[in-house]
Amino acid sequence: DTAVSQTPKYLVTQMGNDKSIKCEQNLGHDTMYWYKQDSKKFLKIMFSYNNKELIINETVPNRFSPKSPDKAHLNLHINSLELGDSAVYFCASRNGAASNQPQHFGDGTRLSIL
Amino acid sequence: GENVEQHPSTLSVQEGDSAVIKCTYSDSASNYFPWYKQELGKRPQLIIDIRSNVGEKKDQRIAVTLNKTAKHFSLHITETQPEDSAVYFCAASRKAAGNKLTFGGGTRVLVKP
Repeated sequence: DTAVSQTPKYLVTQMGNDKSIKCEQNLGHDTMYWYKQDSKKFLKIMFSYNNKELIINETVPNRFSPKSPDKAHLNLHINSLELGDSAVYFCASRNGAASNQPQHFGDGTRLSIL
Repeated sequence: GENVEQHPSTLSVQEGDSAVIKCTYSDSASNYFPWYKQELGKRPQLIIDIRSNVGEKKDQRIAVTLNKTAKHFSLHITETQPEDSAVYFCAASRKAAGNKLTFGGGTRVLVKP
């Protein structure tokens, strides 16, 4: 069983469209994250939710809107897609109740904007 | 905010040799330092981590050292094998910042048979 699963794995779409990426974890964690990995492989935090509450928003454009319907799910909706949004988006989760616990990553969603 | 620098950006070693990757961080309040291995097209996978109350940790061929005073930590891989070829990322985090991971720029390691 995949611990952190993301859908879709690949997403190819045109500039200006709106798209969503879904993430689910079955680890019983209460904290989830979205990271963006650009073409140079640099990994950067975007958002984090703890028990459905937004705790990190790293000055991401407001075209990006995360939503956490429950602590096992964290989705990412992107409006008006731009060329610069092309990247691999990783979801991650951890046990927030315990300090210094590792984050577990999903397999990523490769977003390509035409 | 936190800034993590990682060196070298690429590292080529002969099979059986050791590989060392170094990272420095800027926020003295950071207290958790994981290392991730990412193979081509795959997700980052945790290979080892160290907490600020420990100076060194070892797991088989992998070891990590932490110098809190100098704010740097290093990954050591001994007896490298071709399957060790991947991109390695160091990261730093602290609870007050939501435990978000601030990553270094990555090191592409190539182990030549």
